[in-house]
Amino acid sequence: EVQLVESGGGVVRPGGSLRLSCVASGFTFDDYGMSWVRQAPGKGLEWVSGINWNGGSTGYADSVKGRFTISRDNAKNSLYLQMNSLRAEDTAFYHCTRAGLGTGNYLGWFDPWGQGTLVTVSS
Amino acid sequence: DIQMTQSPSTLSAFVGDRVTITCRASQTISSWLAWYQQKPGKAPKLLIYKASNLESGVPSRFSGSGSGTEFTLTISSLQPDDFATYYCQQYYSYHSFGQGTKLQIK
Repeated sequence: EVQLVESGGGVVRPGGSLRLSCVASGFTFDDYGMSWVRQAPGKGLEWVSGINWNGGSTGYADSVKGRFTISRDNAKNSLYLQMNSLRAEDTAFYHCTRAGLGTGNYLGWFDPWGQGTLVTVSS
Repeated sequence: DIQMTQSPSTLSAFVGDRVTITCRASQTISSWLAWYQQKPGKAPKLLIYKASNLESGVPSRFSGSGSGTEFTLTISSLQPDDFATYYCQQYYSYHSFGQGTKLQIK
Protein backbone atom coordinates (compact mmCIF):
# COMPACT_ATOMS: atom_id res chain seq x y z
CA GLU A 1 0.00 0.00 0.00
CA VAL A 2 1.31 3.41 -0.97
CA GLN A 3 1.56 5.56 2.14
CA LEU A 4 2.85 8.99 3.14
CA VAL A 5 3.19 9.92 6.81
CA GLU A 6 4.06 13.44 7.91
CA SER A 7 5.49 14.57 11.22
CA GLY A 8 7.11 17.60 12.79
CA GLY A 9 4.21 19.98 13.15
CA GLY A 10 3.54 21.96 16.29
CA VAL A 11 3.14 25.40 17.79
CA VAL A 12 5.85 27.96 17.05
CA ARG A 13 6.16 31.69 17.64
CA PRO A 14 6.26 34.18 14.76
CA GLY A 15 9.76 34.35 13.37
CA GLY A 16 10.53 30.82 14.51
CA SER A 17 11.51 27.72 12.57
CA LEU A 18 10.19 24.22 12.14
CA ARG A 19 11.21 21.20 10.07
CA LEU A 20 8.56 18.88 8.66
CA SER A 21 9.27 15.30 7.58
CA CYS A 22 7.39 12.84 5.41
CA VAL A 23 8.20 9.14 5.20
CA ALA A 24 7.06 7.28 2.08
CA SER A 25 6.38 3.58 1.69
CA GLY A 26 4.86 1.21 -0.81
CA PHE A 27 6.51 2.63 -3.93
CA THR A 28 9.93 3.40 -5.38
CA PHE A 29 10.47 6.81 -3.82
CA ASP A 30 13.21 8.03 -6.15
CA ASP A 31 11.02 7.47 -9.22
CA TYR A 32 8.78 10.36 -8.24
CA GLY A 33 8.74 14.07 -7.72
CA MET A 34 7.16 15.18 -4.47
CA SER A 35 5.39 18.27 -3.16
CA TRP A 36 4.09 19.93 -0.01
CA VAL A 37 0.56 21.34 -0.12
CA ARG A 38 -0.99 23.24 2.77
CA GLN A 39 -4.50 24.01 3.91
CA ALA A 40 -5.32 26.62 6.51
CA PRO A 41 -8.16 25.50 8.81
CA GLY A 42 -11.46 25.90 6.96
CA LYS A 43 -9.73 27.21 3.81
CA GLY A 44 -8.67 25.90 0.41
CA LEU A 45 -5.56 24.14 -0.86
CA GLU A 46 -2.28 25.93 -1.60
CA TRP A 47 0.75 24.33 -3.25
CA VAL A 48 3.84 25.24 -1.21
CA SER A 49 6.85 23.58 -2.79
CA GLY A 50 7.96 20.72 -5.04
CA ILE A 51 11.13 18.75 -5.70
CA ASN A 52 12.14 16.41 -8.51
CA TRP A 53 13.35 12.86 -8.04
CA ASN A 54 16.99 13.65 -7.24
CA GLY A 55 16.60 17.06 -5.61
CA GLY A 56 18.16 18.81 -8.58
CA SER A 57 15.06 20.88 -9.34
CA THR A 58 12.84 22.62 -6.83
CA GLY A 59 9.99 25.12 -6.94
CA TYR A 60 8.27 27.34 -4.41
CA ALA A 61 5.11 29.39 -4.11
CA ASP A 62 5.79 33.11 -3.97
CA SER A 63 4.32 33.19 -0.46
CA VAL A 64 7.15 31.01 0.93
CA LYS A 65 10.06 31.71 -1.41
CA GLY A 66 13.21 32.61 0.51
CA ARG A 67 11.80 31.28 3.81
CA PHE A 68 11.09 27.59 3.14
CA THR A 69 13.46 24.94 1.76
CA ILE A 70 12.38 21.57 0.41
CA SER A 71 14.75 18.60 0.36
CA ARG A 72 14.71 14.82 0.18
CA ASP A 73 16.79 11.82 1.22
CA ASN A 74 16.10 8.95 -1.16
CA ALA A 75 18.07 6.50 0.98
CA LYS A 76 15.58 7.16 3.78
CA ASN A 77 12.49 7.47 1.56
CA SER A 78 11.96 10.84 3.16
CA LEU A 79 10.86 14.34 2.16
CA TYR A 80 11.50 17.44 4.26
CA LEU A 81 10.36 21.03 4.52
CA GLN A 82 12.51 23.47 6.48
CA MET A 83 10.39 26.45 7.44
CA ASN A 84 12.07 29.63 8.68
CA SER A 85 10.80 33.11 9.54
CA LEU A 86 7.34 31.69 10.15
CA ARG A 87 4.33 33.98 10.05
CA ALA A 88 0.79 33.69 11.37
CA GLU A 89 -0.44 33.16 7.81
CA ASP A 90 1.68 29.99 7.57
CA THR A 91 -0.69 28.30 10.06
CA ALA A 92 -2.09 25.27 8.25
CA PHE A 93 -2.14 21.53 7.82
CA TYR A 94 0.85 20.58 5.68
CA HIS A 95 0.34 17.58 3.40
CA CYS A 96 3.05 15.59 1.68
CA THR A 97 2.01 14.37 -1.73
CA ARG A 98 3.43 12.50 -4.70
CA ALA A 99 3.45 13.78 -8.27
CA GLY A 100 1.30 11.47 -10.35
CA LEU A 101 3.21 11.49 -13.61
CA GLY A 102 5.97 9.19 -12.39
CA THR A 103 8.52 10.88 -14.64
CA GLY A 104 10.53 12.16 -11.69
CA ASN A 105 9.36 15.73 -12.20
CA TYR A 106 7.34 17.42 -9.46
CA LEU A 107 4.78 18.70 -11.96
CA GLY A 108 1.65 16.64 -12.21
CA TRP A 109 -1.46 15.68 -10.36
CA PHE A 110 -1.12 14.69 -6.72
CA ASP A 111 -1.74 11.15 -5.56
CA PRO A 112 -1.66 9.98 -2.85
CA TRP A 113 -1.72 12.50 -0.02
CA GLY A 114 -0.60 12.14 3.56
CA GLN A 115 -3.03 13.03 6.32
CA GLY A 116 -1.08 16.15 7.13
CA THR A 117 0.69 17.69 10.10
CA LEU A 118 -0.60 20.88 11.73
CA VAL A 119 1.65 23.91 12.03
CA THR A 120 0.38 26.71 14.25
CA VAL A 121 2.24 30.02 14.30
CA SER A 122 1.14 32.04 17.28
CA SER A 123 2.58 34.19 20.02
CA ASP B 1 0.83 32.86 -12.01
CA ILE B 2 -2.17 30.91 -13.29
CA GLN B 3 -5.38 31.62 -11.40
CA MET B 4 -8.07 28.96 -11.17
CA THR B 5 -11.68 29.96 -10.59
CA GLN B 6 -14.38 27.45 -9.69
CA SER B 7 -18.11 27.95 -9.86
CA PRO B 8 -20.30 27.72 -8.01
CA SER B 9 -18.68 28.04 -4.59
CA THR B 10 -21.57 26.18 -3.01
CA LEU B 11 -24.02 23.80 -4.64
CA SER B 12 -27.10 22.21 -3.08
CA ALA B 13 -28.55 19.12 -4.73
CA PHE B 14 -30.64 16.01 -4.12
CA VAL B 15 -29.47 12.41 -4.19
CA GLY B 16 -29.87 11.25 -7.77
CA ASP B 17 -29.31 14.69 -9.32
CA ARG B 18 -26.81 15.35 -12.10
CA VAL B 19 -24.44 18.14 -11.12
CA THR B 20 -21.70 20.03 -12.91
CA ILE B 21 -18.87 22.09 -11.43
CA THR B 22 -16.91 24.47 -13.64
CA CYS B 23 -13.25 25.45 -13.39
CA ARG B 24 -11.72 28.26 -15.44
CA ALA B 25 -8.02 28.99 -15.86
CA SER B 26 -6.65 32.50 -16.32
CA GLN B 27 -4.60 31.26 -19.30
CA THR B 28 -4.51 28.12 -21.35
CA ILE B 29 -3.36 25.00 -19.51
CA SER B 30 -3.98 22.49 -22.32
CA SER B 31 -5.41 19.42 -20.52
CA TRP B 32 -3.17 19.65 -17.49
CA LEU B 33 -5.98 19.65 -14.95
CA ALA B 34 -6.96 17.40 -12.05
CA TRP B 35 -10.02 17.17 -9.82
CA TYR B 36 -10.08 16.18 -6.15
CA GLN B 37 -12.73 15.34 -3.57
CA GLN B 38 -12.19 16.26 0.06
CA LYS B 39 -14.28 15.29 3.06
CA PRO B 40 -14.00 16.99 6.47
CA GLY B 41 -10.90 15.97 8.37
CA LYS B 42 -9.53 13.94 5.46
CA ALA B 43 -6.86 14.44 2.85
CA PRO B 44 -7.96 15.22 -0.71
CA LYS B 45 -8.61 12.26 -2.98
CA LEU B 46 -7.76 12.28 -6.69
CA LEU B 47 -10.77 11.77 -8.97
CA ILE B 48 -9.70 12.89 -12.45
CA TYR B 49 -6.33 13.66 -14.04
CA LYS B 50 -5.41 15.14 -17.41
CA ALA B 51 -8.86 16.73 -17.57
CA SER B 52 -10.83 13.59 -18.41
CA ASN B 53 -9.00 10.49 -17.15
CA LEU B 54 -10.78 8.69 -14.33
CA GLU B 55 -8.47 7.57 -11.53
CA SER B 56 -8.56 3.85 -10.83
CA GLY B 57 -11.25 2.92 -8.32
CA VAL B 58 -13.28 6.10 -8.77
CA PRO B 59 -16.93 5.42 -9.66
CA SER B 60 -17.89 5.93 -13.30
CA ARG B 61 -20.57 8.47 -12.34
CA PHE B 62 -17.70 10.97 -12.13
CA SER B 63 -16.46 12.44 -15.40
CA GLY B 64 -14.31 15.35 -16.48
CA SER B 65 -14.10 17.32 -19.69
CA GLY B 66 -12.56 20.43 -21.22
CA SER B 67 -9.29 21.81 -22.46
CA GLY B 68 -7.60 25.15 -22.78
CA THR B 69 -9.19 27.37 -20.14
CA GLU B 70 -12.57 25.83 -19.34
CA PHE B 71 -13.19 22.52 -17.62
CA THR B 72 -16.07 20.69 -15.99
CA LEU B 73 -16.54 17.94 -13.44
CA THR B 74 -19.86 16.12 -13.73
CA ILE B 75 -21.45 13.69 -11.31
CA SER B 76 -24.16 11.87 -13.25
CA SER B 77 -26.29 10.68 -10.32
CA LEU B 78 -25.40 11.98 -6.89
CA GLN B 79 -24.92 9.44 -4.14
CA PRO B 80 -24.91 10.20 -0.39
CA ASP B 81 -21.14 9.61 -0.30
CA ASP B 82 -20.54 12.37 -2.88
CA PHE B 83 -21.40 15.28 -0.60
CA ALA B 84 -18.00 16.87 -0.08
CA THR B 85 -15.82 19.73 -1.29
CA TYR B 86 -14.30 19.52 -4.79
CA TYR B 87 -11.15 21.24 -6.02
CA CYS B 88 -9.62 21.64 -9.44
CA GLN B 89 -5.84 21.95 -9.87
CA GLN B 90 -3.68 23.00 -12.81
CA TYR B 91 -0.20 21.59 -13.28
CA TYR B 92 0.73 23.31 -16.53
CA SER B 93 2.91 25.87 -14.75
CA TYR B 94 3.83 25.01 -11.19
CA HIS B 95 0.55 24.22 -9.42
CA SER B 96 -2.52 26.14 -8.37
CA PHE B 97 -5.95 25.16 -7.08
CA GLY B 98 -9.42 26.51 -7.45
CA GLN B 99 -11.05 27.86 -4.31
CA GLY B 100 -13.28 24.81 -3.95
CA THR B 101 -16.94 23.92 -4.45
CA LYS B 102 -18.88 22.67 -1.46
CA LEU B 103 -21.55 20.19 -2.52
CA GLN B 104 -24.34 20.06 0.02
CA ILE B 105 -27.36 17.85 0.34
CA LYS B 106 -30.67 19.60 -0.33
